[in-house]
Amino acid sequence: NAGVTQTPKFQVLKTGQSMTLQCAQDMNHEYMSWYRQDPGMGLRLIHYSVGAGITDQGEVPNGYNVSRSTTEDFPLRLLSAAPSQTSVYFCASSPQGAGELFFGEGSRLTVL
Amino acid sequence: GIQVEQSPPDLILQEGANSTLRCNFSDSVNNLQWFHQNPWGQLINLFYIPSGTKQNGRLSATTVATERYSLLYISSSQTTDSGVYFCAARGGSQGNLIFGKGTKLSVKP
Repeated sequence: NAGVTQTPKFQVLKTGQSMTLQCAQDMNHEYMSWYRQDPGMGLRLIHYSVGAGITDQGEVPNGYNVSRSTTEDFPLRLLSAAPSQTSVYFCASSPQGAGELFFGEGSRLTVL
Repeated sequence: GIQVEQSPPDLILQEGANSTLRCNFSDSVNNLQWFHQNPWGQLINLFYIPSGTKQNGRLSATTVATERYSLLYISSSQTTDSGVYFCAARGGSQGNLIFGKGTKLSVKP
C-alpha cells in the first residue's frame, strides 16, 4: 500500500516557467489537499477537494490551479512560477474532511 | 476560521527527560492531530485525537475539547525524538485542517 505519492521530490524552475506537481493516493480517500511549508510559517492550505470534480480554495491559493478528475489524483499546477513560490509542498488525503489526514513525503520547489 | 497556537516554540531537553507540548485551539473541533516532522522533512502521524486520551509507547496525548486544548507528552526522550511537532485542528463541517506553527524539539545526548 503506497499511501500518498508525490512527484517530483525536487524541482528547480526559472521565473515564469510552468510545472505540475503530481499527487496520487491509493486509499480511495475522498478528501485531498495541498499545503505549502515555509520557514517559521507552519503548513498553509493552498487548495483542497472533497471528491472527484470538486475543488475549492484554501488560505493561499493565488498562483496555483488544481483539478480532480479522478478520486486517486490531485495535481497542483503553477502556471507562471515566481520566486515567492519557493517552498516545500505537501499533498495529503483523508477518508473524508474530518478524518485522519495522511501526508506524502513532500516536494521541494525552488524558483530562481 | 479556527486558530491553532502551540507552545513552547522551542524546547531543548537532555536525553531521558520528559516533556509536555501544548496546543490551544479557538473553536470546537471534529479533528485534532499531532504530527512529528523528522529532520528529513517527513510528516509522521502521531495521534488522531479529537477528544480523550491515547498512548503509543513513550508518547501519549490528551485532548480536552470543552476547554479547547490538547497536550502531547513525551517520556524518557531520545535523540530520535528531535524535530518539529505540529498540532492541527479542524472545526465545522466545511473546515479544513489548520496547523499551528510547531514546537521545535532538540534532544541532546
